[in-house]
Amino acid sequence: DAGVTQSPTHLIKTRGQQVTLRCSPISGHKSVSWYQQVLGQGPQFIFQYYEKEERGRGNFPDRFSARQFPNYSSELNVNALLLGDSALYLCASSLLNGEKLFFGSGTQLSVL
Amino acid sequence: AQSVTQLDSQVPVFEEAPVELRCNYSSSVSVYLFWYVQYPNQGLQLLLKYLSGSTLVKGINGFEAEFNKSQTSFHLRKPSVHISDTAEYFCAVRHSNAGGTSYGKLTFGQGTILTVHP
Repeated sequence: DAGVTQSPTHLIKTRGQQVTLRCSPISGHKSVSWYQQVLGQGPQFIFQYYEKEERGRGNFPDRFSARQFPNYSSELNVNALLLGDSALYLCASSLLNGEKLFFGSGTQLSVL
Repeated sequence: AQSVTQLDSQVPVFEEAPVELRCNYSSSVSVYLFWYVQYPNQGLQLLLKYLSGSTLVKGINGFEAEFNKSQTSFHLRKPSVHISDTAEYFCAVRHSNAGGTSYGKLTFGQGTILTVHP
């Protein structure tokens, strides 16, 4: 079975632009979570979605938004990019009550 | 609120030597505890988890961790490391009473880079 897949793997944007990152969970997983990992730090929770509804939100500005589709895939959108948004963005999927998160390899976003 | 502190940012060790990566957490509620490993240019892979029961938890690749509630610690150990264990290791916590709304939310530590030398 395929694992969690994220696209694109790398992305370069300039300040002020908007970006959309995509995630496909493991088949059968209905929950998707997004994390931001800045170089040298641990991942920080951004959002969790389950059954197309937001179930949790971390301490991120409103420039960050996400959604989940009927097939449980998800998109993370970031508007008005700042240099500080440069990071590895990780998507993780899990079963409804699963204690185990399965992570994708991430999207490396560079904001110039 | 929860927080996780990994006490060592880098741990160098020689091959076949034992290693301990330290993790302390702070939480006002009961938690589940996890260790993840991240190899270069890859996502996170679960090594082991503590949910309840025995405080000594065994994971993949010969790693184990011990939950100490009184010291709020969850240190990761391996009796003999290999070159292939070189990676970054993250300790993480999650509310044990997720109520279905926070099971995707982990709080991670800053990471410990383990470098195994020949």
